[in-house]
Amino acid sequence: AQSVAQPEDQVNVAEGNPLTVKCTYSVSGNPYLFWYVQYPNRGLQFLLKYITGDNLVKGSYGFEAEFNKSQTSFHLKKPSALVSDSALYFCAVSDYSGGYQKVTFGIGTKLQVIP
Amino acid sequence: GAGVSQTPSNKVTEKGKYVELRCDPISGHTALYWYRQSLGQGPEFLIYFQGTGAADDSGLPNDRFFAVRPEGSVSTLKIQRTERGDSAVYLCASSATGTMNTEAFFGQGTRLTVV
Repeated sequence: AQSVAQPEDQVNVAEGNPLTVKCTYSVSGNPYLFWYVQYPNRGLQFLLKYITGDNLVKGSYGFEAEFNKSQTSFHLKKPSALVSDSALYFCAVSDYSGGYQKVTFGIGTKLQVIP
Repeated sequence: GAGVSQTPSNKVTEKGKYVELRCDPISGHTALYWYRQSLGQGPEFLIYFQGTGAADDSGLPNDRFFAVRPEGSVSTLKIQRTERGDSAVYLCASSATGTMNTEAFFGQGTRLTVV
């Protein structure tokens, strides 16, 4: 079985400050990790993914995430937060055992960027 | 269209009624996924289609739920004898293939309310 934990229901950060949204995972086999963002009344949007290779993954809108195998973590980061980054962020994992993208999502973390 | 389209955007139905939710994937995408997102939760996998066939329906909660994709494009999620617990946002996603190298694009979802 695969699972994702997002330990923070909400993260508040001042505009211009760095932000981190935490994610830890559990999966048998090699993990495939994703971050999605959900704006109000809009669908999930893909931000970035880790499949293999460099542990630091760069994605859309200046976001990046670091894969840490020993800590089973995949925290989302951005050097300088924007008010427009305020949204709901979901971490997701797949073990790809079936050969396709069957992902398990976390419950989401609400990011609030304060002007 | 340019993205994944889901109709209707909102559906209110009475307990015990039958509903159909439609998903128009991105043209040419062979992989199609249905997820269900309950209030305050992350999306939960329901079913995966590769072409016309349901390759994995392990997430369907019971036999009241059924999905089809007869021509390998549009998919319909069907729910019989709806219950109040079925109230959720139903999300559809498609990708060019089912592999990890292709991005999954989500629709805006259908918000189903069973009263």
